Amino acid sequence: NAGVTQTPKFRVLKTGQSMTLLCAQDMNHEYMYWYRQDPGMGLRLIHYSVGEGTTAKGEVPDGYNVSRLKKQNFLLGLESAAPSQTSVYFCASSSGQFGPQHFGDGTRLSIL
Amino acid sequence: DQQVKQNSPSLSVQEGRISILNCDYTNSMFDYFLWYKKYPAEGPTFLISISSIKDKNEDGRFTVFLNKSAKHLSLHIVPSQPGDSAVYFCAASAHQAGTALIFGKGTTLSVSS
Repeated sequence: NAGVTQTPKFRVLKTGQSMTLLCAQDMNHEYMYWYRQDPGMGLRLIHYSVGEGTTAKGEVPDGYNVSRLKKQNFLLGLESAAPSQTSVYFCASSSGQFGPQHFGDGTRLSIL
Repeated sequence: DQQVKQNSPSLSVQEGRISILNCDYTNSMFDYFLWYKKYPAEGPTFLISISSIKDKNEDGRFTVFLNKSAKHLSLHIVPSQPGDSAVYFCAASAHQAGTALIFGKGTTLSVSS
């Protein structure tokens, strides 16, 4: 009963390093999303995908790239990490565009 | 500019009483509203939703009320239980315009026994 799985759960990076966050879902959902949550803020959409091979920008896309090569996976990349990208990142998926989204447990990323 | 506002960062309620969490929105195009609950170190979980064609939706102890003219919705939890202590996020979207979910900043509910 995995649902949405995010790896890693924690990571510390130095400024300028790159990394990829992985999101995997086993519910055969078409739609997948990446959010970030900062203290005192709600969830803000970074990028999303409406199906395999598609991606689109959300509210705060700068500094991030994504790929959806397989339906069950959605990757979030940071090419050159900056301290402003220190945050908790959540991945979500949904069966339809406006259906309830199912979230992973988050990746806590610190950039020094 | 915030399109979805949860003006109360926190709320404290005694076990057995009613919890009322409020949410205001500014975009009149929003026609679908959801509430999510989030425990520490976990992702948000979907709680309840309401479409703009309704003014009330109920699911067990949880009821969401929508006042379109006031652009306001509220989540009522009756009776409140200690396990309800969590952060509650309100979210909204506009089907016609195809917008993604917009989340409020959340309200932390503490239910004391």
